[in-house]
This record gives sequence, C-alpha cells and structure tokens, in this order.
Amino acid sequence: DAGVTQSPTHLIKTRGQHVTLRCSPISGHKSVSWYQQVLGQGPQFIFQYYEKEERGRGNFPDRFSARQFPNYSSELNVNALLLGDSALYLCASSLGANTEAFFGQGTRLTVV
Amino acid sequence: GQQLNQSPQSMFIQEGEDVSMNCTSSSIFNTWLWYKQDPGEGPVLLIALYKAGELTSNGRLTAQFGITRKDSFLNISASIPSDVGIYFCAGRGMTSGTYKYIFGTGTRLKVLA
Repeated sequence: DAGVTQSPTHLIKTRGQHVTLRCSPISGHKSVSWYQQVLGQGPQFIFQYYEKEERGRGNFPDRFSARQFPNYSSELNVNALLLGDSALYLCASSLGANTEAFFGQGTRLTVV
Repeated sequence: GQQLNQSPQSMFIQEGEDVSMNCTSSSIFNTWLWYKQDPGEGPVLLIALYKAGELTSNGRLTAQFGITRKDSFLNISASIPSDVGIYFCAGRGMTSGTYKYIFGTGTRLKVLA
C-alpha cells in the first residue's frame, strides 16, 4: 500500500505569491492534518480535516487555508507568501480523527 | 508555537551503547507518540502509547507513558549507526474539540562507529 504522498517535493516561490500544496492520505484514512516544520524545530499544527470538515486550526494567520476533497485528499493554500513561510510542510494521515498519524515526506517550500 | 520540552537536545554516543531521552509537558495528554526523522524526510512513527504507565517495545526501542500523563521517555538499546537522526516526542490531547499533536523540540542523536 502506498503511504502518504505529497506534491510537489520542493518549491521555490517569491514573496507575495500564492502556493498550493497537495496531499493524498493512506488508502482508507479519512483524516488529514497539516503541519509546518521550520528548520531546527518540531512540527507545528496548522489544520486537521476529517470527513471533509475542518476539525481544528492551529495558531496560523488567515493567509493559510485548506480543504479536503471527497476522495479524502487535501490541499493547503498559502496566500501572500512571506519569507518566514519557508519551511517543510508535512501532511499526516489518520484512520480517524483521534488515531495515530502517519506523515508524508513533506514539501520543502522556499520563499525568496 | 507550543512545543514540549525534550532532553537532551543532542547526544553523541558510541555504537553499542544504550540511549535514553525524555519529554515533559505542562499539560496532560491521553496519547504519547515517538517519531524519528531523517534529514529531508517526514517523521516516521516508532511507538504509540495510550495509557498512563504503559511500557511498550518495538525491537530495540522501549517507551513509557508517564504516570502523571505529563511525560514520556524513549530508550534505545545497543545503538547502531542507522539510529542516527532526530527523535521527536508528540503528545496528543483534545483542545477546543480538536485532536492535535504537540511536538517536542527534538533530540539529535549521533552514533559513532
């Protein structure tokens, strides 16, 4: 079985641009969460989606948004990119809303 | 953002030695997880703990869920070079109806052959 897949793996954007990151969960998993990991730190929670509904939001500005599709895949969107948005963005897949999470390899976003 | 306290921050050990690291929180969690992350990769789940006092093993790894539900530790026995990486603890609890993981600051492990 395929694990959590994220695309793209690497991305370079300019300040002020918009970016969309994609995630496909493990087959059968209905929950997707997004995390931001800045270099040298642990992942920080951004969003959780379960059954296509937002179940939680971390302490991130409204420039960050996400959605989950009927096939349980998910997109994370970030508008008006700042240099400080440069990070590894991780998607985590869970069977349910409160079961253990399995992470993808991440998308490395660099904002210049 | 909120992060759990993990110690030590980094450690260099000789191959074959045992390793111990721990994680503490000011909040109570109902689940503790331990992950290993290699450079440029996502975290890989090592062990999940669901009950206070629980002791769980996965090969050479052993982890315990603290009785107070505010701490956890991970032991690695007979370390080998491929154990090198960053180890993260993560506590999960419900906050405002959301089950989210709060991660530790990480322990960077280097194994000297």
